[in-house]
Amino acid sequence: GEQVEQRPPHLSVREGDSAIIICTYTDSATAYFSWYKQEAGAGLQLLMSVLSNVDRKEEQGLTVLLNKKDKRLSLNLTAAHPGDSAVYFCAVRAGGSALGRLHFGAGTQLIVIP
Amino acid sequence: GGIITQTPKFLIGQEGQKLTLKCQQNFNHDTMYWYRQDSGKGLRLIYYSITENDLQKGDLSEGYDASREKKSSFSLTVTSAQKNEMAVFLCASSPGSTGQLYFGEGSKLTVL
Repeated sequence: GEQVEQRPPHLSVREGDSAIIICTYTDSATAYFSWYKQEAGAGLQLLMSVLSNVDRKEEQGLTVLLNKKDKRLSLNLTAAHPGDSAVYFCAVRAGGSALGRLHFGAGTQLIVIP
Repeated sequence: GGIITQTPKFLIGQEGQKLTLKCQQNFNHDTMYWYRQDSGKGLRLIYYSITENDLQKGDLSEGYDASREKKSSFSLTVTSAQKNEMAVFLCASSPGSTGQLYFGEGSKLTVL
């Protein structure tokens, strides 16, 4: 089955710096890719999602890159600010598999230092 | 907008006890999920349901029961609580096969 590896598990950056989180996956049929943010004591919230026909998507200071050849997905927070401090998860799904079933990475705890 | 409400937010039980977590959503979503979140690990799917009265096992269903009594509610029962089950349980819903999930705030289980 699908295996999703996420790194790093912990990341500290200074305010204004960029933060990059990477996920790798194993199933070449993976067709849906997403990033979620979890703030302390809260559930996960969808940040961005892309389908397999998209290599790059930018939105409100976030950039998602998809490298299908290397089976690698990344999230880049440009100019991070303290409000970005949270746990970030990648989640992927194979097209045509169990309806809506996502496979999650283990999460990255991001701390943005003012 | 809608909301997912999980109750209780904190649940404390004794080892061997049967414990139930409840989840309500007012998005009118078809699919609902229960995930378990352990510290330092990703979310693991326990059960999901694609419609009322439907039930599908996830990767971690052993030791759990679930019930989709109506479209808006999905409950999860820990059949015999064990200390290694202390975790946060997250309920989510989605409008079909889009892959986008909407999560509740979680229920933290402590087993004494």
